[in-house]
Amino acid sequence: QQQVKQSPQSLIVQKGGISIINCAYENTAFDYFPWYQQFPGKGPALLIAIRPDVSEKKEGRFTISFNKSAKQFSLHIMDSQPGDSATYFCAASTAARGSQGNLIFGKGTKLSVKP
Amino acid sequence: GAGVSQSPRYKVAKRGQDVALRCDPISGHVSLFWYQQALGQGPEFLTYFQNEAQLDKSGLPSDRFFAERPEGSVSTLKIQRTQQEDSAVYLCASSLRPLYEQYFGPGTRLTVT
Repeated sequence: QQQVKQSPQSLIVQKGGISIINCAYENTAFDYFPWYQQFPGKGPALLIAIRPDVSEKKEGRFTISFNKSAKQFSLHIMDSQPGDSATYFCAASTAARGSQGNLIFGKGTKLSVKP
Repeated sequence: GAGVSQSPRYKVAKRGQDVALRCDPISGHVSLFWYQQALGQGPEFLTYFQNEAQLDKSGLPSDRFFAERPEGSVSTLKIQRTQQEDSAVYLCASSLRPLYEQYFGPGTRLTVT
């Protein structure tokens, strides 16, 4: 049973457009939701993260929107650039007692930004 | 400062061989995680260390997988009698303290032939 479902699997956006990637989770104990960016041959790099006490977090061109009641969160990339072309992973973890904070990842979204 | 480093970056092993993968976490980071990333998939948790203590090994797929972090810094993931299904990228991540942000290394791509 997949605990974090990510969509779409792939996304093509024109330069300057908005890229939107969605994730849904099942475990209500999750309380930390990071997004990672991964380029080919590299490890995942932390992009932005949110905790459920806020509904939105913005850092530069990247925004996370969080809907606790729907158990969904999304990444918006504004003014998308060709350099943003990468695979994006959403993840979740819990700080509940006994948890080690290991991340549960979605399957990834391959983003291509066309010039 | 230096990030998480892993070696080797690429490893080709014949089926049945033993392999050892090394992770150098960020200096001072207490927590260390190993993940396995199959082609086209997200990373999957293997095991977790807090300092030298292995507190969670629930993600290790079989008893052929063994990890250690004897002095609370460098960690080694060992796979005995490798099988083709072990082919994947093995990622190491560290965090300053438990439940803090995790920073990943570049991974070791293991190919079992």
